[in-house]
Amino acid sequence: DQQVKQNSPSLSVQEGRISILNCDYTNSMFDYFLWYKKYPAEGPTFLISISSIKDKNEDGRFTVFLNKSAKHLSLHIVPSQPGDSAVYFCAASEDTDKLIFGTGTRLQVFP
Amino acid sequence: DVKVTQSSRYLVKRTGEKVFLECVQDMDHENMFWYRQDPGLGLRLIYFSYDVKMKEKGDIPEGYSVSREKKERFSLILESASTNQTSMYLCASRRDSTYQPQHFGDGTRLSIL
Repeated sequence: DQQVKQNSPSLSVQEGRISILNCDYTNSMFDYFLWYKKYPAEGPTFLISISSIKDKNEDGRFTVFLNKSAKHLSLHIVPSQPGDSAVYFCAASEDTDKLIFGTGTRLQVFP
Repeated sequence: DVKVTQSSRYLVKRTGEKVFLECVQDMDHENMFWYRQDPGLGLRLIYFSYDVKMKEKGDIPEGYSVSREKKERFSLILESASTNQTSMYLCASRRDSTYQPQHFGDGTRLSIL
């Protein structure tokens, strides 16, 4: 039973536009959420995180939104750049213990 | 910047061999983790360690063991490799502090023939 779900395996966005990546979770005890970016042949790179006491966290072009009532997490990238093309994983943890990862969304940003 | 180094990028072994995957981090992090990544399954936790000589089972520990004799080094051991252990293996470390992210190495792609 997958506790963290990324229902869109891929997303294609034009350069300069907004990319919105979505993530749903089932465990209401999760209290810490993260987004990672992964290029081929490299390990995941930490992007941004949010704790359950917040509903928004922003870092440059990246903003994460948390809707606890809907158990939904999203990552907004504005403006999207070709270098953002990668696989994005969302992850969640309970009591800052082990992370549970989604299956990833492949983002392609085209000119 | 945190540096997590995995000793091999690619490894090919035979069924039944004992396989060691090594991971070293240079940030004095207390916590270390081993994951495997498979298509359509995301990253799944095999084992983790809160500190030296400590280990905890993750979600898929069967067929694996770990060793943490020094704080900076965390080894994953495949006791008797099988073909279903062909995968990408990722090591991560984290400061033992509330709400800290895990930092990953570049992975070892292991093929068991």
